[in-house]
Amino acid sequence: DSGVTQTPKHLITATGQRVTLRCSPRSGDLSVYWYQQSLDQGLQFLIQYYNGEERAKGNILERFSAQQFPDLHSELNLSSLELGDSALYFCASSVGLGRADTQYFGPGTRLTVL
Amino acid sequence: AQSVTQLDSHVSVSEGTPVLLRCNYSSSYSPSLFWYVQHPNKGLQLLLKYTSAATLVKGINGFEAEFKKSETSFHLTKPSAHMSDAAEYFCVVTGEGSGNTGKLIFGQGTTLQVKP
Repeated sequence: DSGVTQTPKHLITATGQRVTLRCSPRSGDLSVYWYQQSLDQGLQFLIQYYNGEERAKGNILERFSAQQFPDLHSELNLSSLELGDSALYFCASSVGLGRADTQYFGPGTRLTVL
Repeated sequence: AQSVTQLDSHVSVSEGTPVLLRCNYSSSYSPSLFWYVQHPNKGLQLLLKYTSAATLVKGINGFEAEFKKSETSFHLTKPSAHMSDAAEYFCVVTGEGSGNTGKLIFGQGTTLQVKP
């Protein structure tokens, strides 16, 4: 158990809908990262927050947004969902910002868009 | 731009025989490199990491990897495979440039099959 929790575990929804994925980092970690894992794209970095502020952005669609709250938990919002958004979404956390910091991954949220 | 290439999408070994999973990277900076493992329907677990200290890195469950700058490689090895090692393995490099150091760039993964 990495200490990173994600809810829900599974999510099934329809095209055009909006969903929110939640992540609680390990105790003491200030950075939160979101990744998407799909069969065609593999594992891709979406976005990083550090202590409430956005620090890095990857291949995140404009329909997707995220935020990190004062208690350091994070939410990833996915809107106007398309079939291609079906994927496993991982959250990770680390103590700081450095490239040597280990990122600890949560169990993921499996999103199915029908 | 930085990238990671895992040279084998699938590796099959017999239990008790050595494991070799190959990874080449491309980076303008001295990178940090990681190997993560993903068991079916599970999250990603860190096996080991290289952060410019010793070039031979020991990880969990008997795995180790050697950083070879001249060959831009970071191959993962284990002397003797166990059935529980069957999983997907990812070679990972950190991003470059200010603002990207936290970004992890994943290889496409290598599926390790262990036969009894």
